[in-house]
Amino acid sequence: IAGITQAPTSQILAAGRRMTLRCTQDMRHNAMYWYRQDLGLGLRLIHYSNTAGTTGKGEVPDGYSVSRANTDDFPLTLASAVPSQTSVYFCASSATGANTEAFFGQGTRLTVV
Amino acid sequence: AQSVTQLGSHVSVSEGALVLLRCNYSSSVPPYLFWYVQYPNQGLQLLLKYTTGATLVKGINGFEAEFKKSETSFHLTKPSAHMSDAAEYFCAVKGGGGSNYKLTFGKGTLLTVNP
Repeated sequence: IAGITQAPTSQILAAGRRMTLRCTQDMRHNAMYWYRQDLGLGLRLIHYSNTAGTTGKGEVPDGYSVSRANTDDFPLTLASAVPSQTSVYFCASSATGANTEAFFGQGTRLTVV
Repeated sequence: AQSVTQLGSHVSVSEGALVLLRCNYSSSVPPYLFWYVQYPNQGLQLLLKYTTGATLVKGINGFEAEFKKSETSFHLTKPSAHMSDAAEYFCAVKGGGGSNYKLTFGKGTLLTVNP
């Protein structure tokens, strides 16, 4: 059972470059999320999608974009990376409804230099 | 709007001692509450959740949490700490309107277990 697969696991990126973090789930969950984790700040929601074809902004969306062309995939794109985007990025998914838990991938560690 | 406050960014206990990790929430709608654990260099794993019904919720690895609406709290406890419990713990609340449910996390509490 794969669950949620994120790629790459880590990346060093030059500032100004474009980067797409990939996320695929095999649980047929409608909702998907992208979080960033920074020391002392916990997990902050970047973007989310309640169902294929729809997306929404989270707490810290600036500098990031997402798309949800189908149920399984939810890529996160940094159009022009900046050092403040150095972080660990987690993708998650959940079934529809407020009482459902989210399942997380293993994370992508991104360093922007 | 919803938010979570975890009291204490770092808690240190001795092996065999009681573990108490504090979480208070704010939510404009009936909350759904979760505790997650994160081991080093891993993703988050669900420990337990409160949705409706019994206010004392039991989770994995001997952890439990009690939902107290009057105190807007959802503290996590374990009677006897084990070395393997050393990890970071996150409290989260889920709420919203219609189908717009988002999971909001606290800043986390790092649990250290001393031999």
